This record gives sequence, structure tokens and C-alpha cells, in this order.
Amino acid sequence: DAMVIQNPRYQVTQFGKPVTLSCSQTLNHNVMYWYQQKSSQAPKLLFHYYDKDFNNEADTPDNFQSRRPNTSFCFLDIRSPGLGDAAMYLCATSRDLPGLETQYFGPGTRLLVL
Amino acid sequence: GENVEQHPSTLSVQEGDSAVIKCTYSDSASNYFPWYKQELGKRPQLIIDIRSNVGEKKDQRIAVTLNKTAKHFSLHITETQPEDSAVYFCAASPSYNQGGKLIFGQGTELSVKP
Repeated sequence: DAMVIQNPRYQVTQFGKPVTLSCSQTLNHNVMYWYQQKSSQAPKLLFHYYDKDFNNEADTPDNFQSRRPNTSFCFLDIRSPGLGDAAMYLCATSRDLPGLETQYFGPGTRLLVL
Repeated sequence: GENVEQHPSTLSVQEGDSAVIKCTYSDSASNYFPWYKQELGKRPQLIIDIRSNVGEKKDQRIAVTLNKTAKHFSLHITETQPEDSAVYFCAASPSYNQGGKLIFGQGTELSVKP
């Protein structure tokens, strides 16, 4: 369970103040995902990396960016958080894309925007 | 693209009874169908999955059935216990060469009453 790690677990930021969430994995998985999950809703995929290849979902706002400097780490940058960005942010990894390999979720970072 | 519908949205059962959650999908090319359990404030955890070359899979009290012709799959939990109370998400994934990613259903909140 500790193989997909997210920091911090809780993050409070101010409206418009950039924030970065981090995810690390010890599984050496090729694929890393970022999901946004709001209360009582299913996780919503923002983007994913297959190795260094970045794949953005069509409806992901430009306010959300991601970086994957190496296999183990992936970051979610929210450039100007709005009140509507308050949510749980889940990182997930898989050895290969779904359909071929299982996807595992990290514990999540709960973001509060004041 | 793929669309997954999940029913019911809430389900309440007595301890010891069975619970059934149903999902339908639209993309006949989908070939991987996981089920995730998410307890309040925690990460989604994979509880069982099935691939399109299999009609049924069982793991202790949990089973999943897949009907590819009708494009639906179901989660069956027998002898329910209070610790089964959680939100359950089904998902479907198109094949790898179609940019495979998980498409989630809307979730079912299962409540098991002692």
C-alpha cells in the first residue's frame, strides 16, 4: 500500500496561489496518472504519463499542469487555484495501460482553497 | 468514446444478505473491467477485475460476471458484512491501441446494516 506515496496528504492554499502536489512510486511502473475526485463523484482523469509521453485529457483546464522528471516522481501543478478546484487529488500508477495492467491508487491529497 | 453507467446509486442491505451492483458500457472494444472499493476519505482499492475473455470470476465473497453481448457486468457480494460498507466504482477500459484508460461509473454507495 505504501508503494504509491502522495505528499502532502492535506494541502491548504489561497485562491490564486500556485500549489504543487507530489506523487512518488517504488513500483517502477511506466504509467502515472492524476485524477481529481470531488465529493460523491467518480475520479476524473486529468492526464497521464506513459514514460515521458504526456497525455492530456481534452477537458482538463489549462490551469492544471504536470511534470514527470523521472520514473518515480510525478507532480501536479495548479497555477491559479479557484474555489472549484477544492477536491481530492489521486495519483495512480500501472505497469502498462489499463486493459493490460492493473492500476493502483495512492492515498490522495485533499486540497482546500480558501 | 466509452461511457459507463452504474446502478443503483445507493444500496442498503442487511448484514448477511447479498448485494448486486450493475454496470453497462458502450464501447464493444472495451476488454478490461475492474471494480474499486472506496471507503470514506480513503483511496479507491481494486477488489476484483475481469477481462473480456472470461465470463465470471470469483474471490471469496466477491464475484464479477461479464456479458459481452449485452455489454454489462455486475459485482456480487455475498454474506455482506458492515465492513463492506463503502462506495463501489466499476470501470471499463478500451483496448490498449485505442488509448486505453479507465472510464468510471458514477459509483454505488453500499450500506450494510448490522
